[in-house]
Amino acid sequence: AQSVTQLGSHVSVSEGALVLLRCNYSSSVPPYLFWYVQYPNQGLQLLLKYTSAATLVKGINGFEAEFKKSETSFHLTKPSAHMSDAAEYFCAVTRGAGSYQLTFGKGTKLSVIP
Amino acid sequence: ETGVTQTPRHLVMGMTNKKSLKCEQHLGHNAMYWYKQSAKKPLELMFVYNFKEQTENNSVPSRFSPECPNSSHLFLHLHTLQPEDSALYLCASSQGTRTRFYREQYFGPGTRLTVT
Repeated sequence: AQSVTQLGSHVSVSEGALVLLRCNYSSSVPPYLFWYVQYPNQGLQLLLKYTSAATLVKGINGFEAEFKKSETSFHLTKPSAHMSDAAEYFCAVTRGAGSYQLTFGKGTKLSVIP
Repeated sequence: ETGVTQTPRHLVMGMTNKKSLKCEQHLGHNAMYWYKQSAKKPLELMFVYNFKEQTENNSVPSRFSPECPNSSHLFLHLHTLQPEDSALYLCASSQGTRTRFYREQYFGPGTRLTVT
């Protein structure tokens, strides 16, 4: 079975500071990993995905994530936070090819302080 | 309309009411999903349809009844709900074949349901 742990339900950063949102996964098979973002009163939007190609994955809005198998991690980073990045971020894992089962973490709410 | 749309965006209903949530995807996908998002809990997958056939019922109470008349539309019929059913209900869709799902799911904005 797959599981996802997101460390920190709430993270605050200053505008212009580094954003680091942590995600650790557990999977019995090589995982596929995703980060989604949810803005207030909206659904989830796919930020980026890891599907066993490059371990450093670039996404939209300047975000990127690095897959580290030895640490079972897929942390999300952005060099410089912007006010518009304030949202809730969800890490998700699925099994290998062909599976629709997405297991989500509980989410991390990012606040950006001006 | 583009992407995945959901109506209504907000719904308040009493425990004895019957209502329906509607989801429509304009992406040409074949699989559609219902999720429940409650405060402080991870997203819970409720139902999955692939090519109009239900492939997953994640132990959802029978007071929730899904319907998928075609690959573009998905409904969630609600009756005799409980206050703990109050949540954001999200619809999603993805591409795939009859035996293989593509992994990226695209979400609608959700319906905020309040049961009084």
